[in-house]
Amino acid sequence: QVQLQESGPGLVKPSETLSLTCTVSGASISSYFWTWIRQPAGKGLEWIGRIYTSGTTNYNPSLKSRVTMSVDTSKNQLSLKLSSVTAADTALYYCAREDTTSRPLDVWGQGTTVTVSS
Amino acid sequence: DIQMTQSPSSLSASLGDRVTITCRASQSISTYLNWYQQKPGKAPKLLIYAASSLQSGVPSSFSGSGSGTDFTLTISSLQPEDFATYYCQQSYSTPRTFGQGTKVEIK
Repeated sequence: QVQLQESGPGLVKPSETLSLTCTVSGASISSYFWTWIRQPAGKGLEWIGRIYTSGTTNYNPSLKSRVTMSVDTSKNQLSLKLSSVTAADTALYYCAREDTTSRPLDVWGQGTTVTVSS
Repeated sequence: DIQMTQSPSSLSASLGDRVTITCRASQSISTYLNWYQQKPGKAPKLLIYAASSLQSGVPSSFSGSGSGTDFTLTISSLQPEDFATYYCQQSYSTPRTFGQGTKVEIK
């Protein structure tokens, strides 16, 4: 059974870089797209971007200038970096697996809350 | 970007009711449409993929239909565990986009 676990600092200062890791267990991360999604408290879901295990990325244009995603196949981990954060980046951040055939997000982590505050 | 618009934003229904939620895409997305259920404090859960395919383990009371720009999620008989927020999502192109959500509440 595939499980995803997000981790990282829960508090980030404005203008700094948010860094999160998603650890995948129960299966290899190879041959899937791995996606980051965020959800501000009480609001809807925002797609941040995705990375294939080859390193190919697609980012949301609204965040593209600040986002970097990477994958470490040896550790079965993904990472997300979001630079120059503001209070608007405060949210619950999820990682999820995108199936490559029908393309739904079929496995999700439990999410990790990040607050941007001084 | 493809915009996804759900309606209604919220609804009140009783146990046993048939519930239908609509999702409209701003351009044709074929059948690259997925539905998720989210309960408070939990991650979204995939219910329906490719517009009408039921994810493994999801009750058959859930069904999806549509293609092109118009899609529906139907719950045939609302159960206590179905009270939640439902999101549609297009996986036709990037950036992937979600509808704003439909909150299903108890009447």
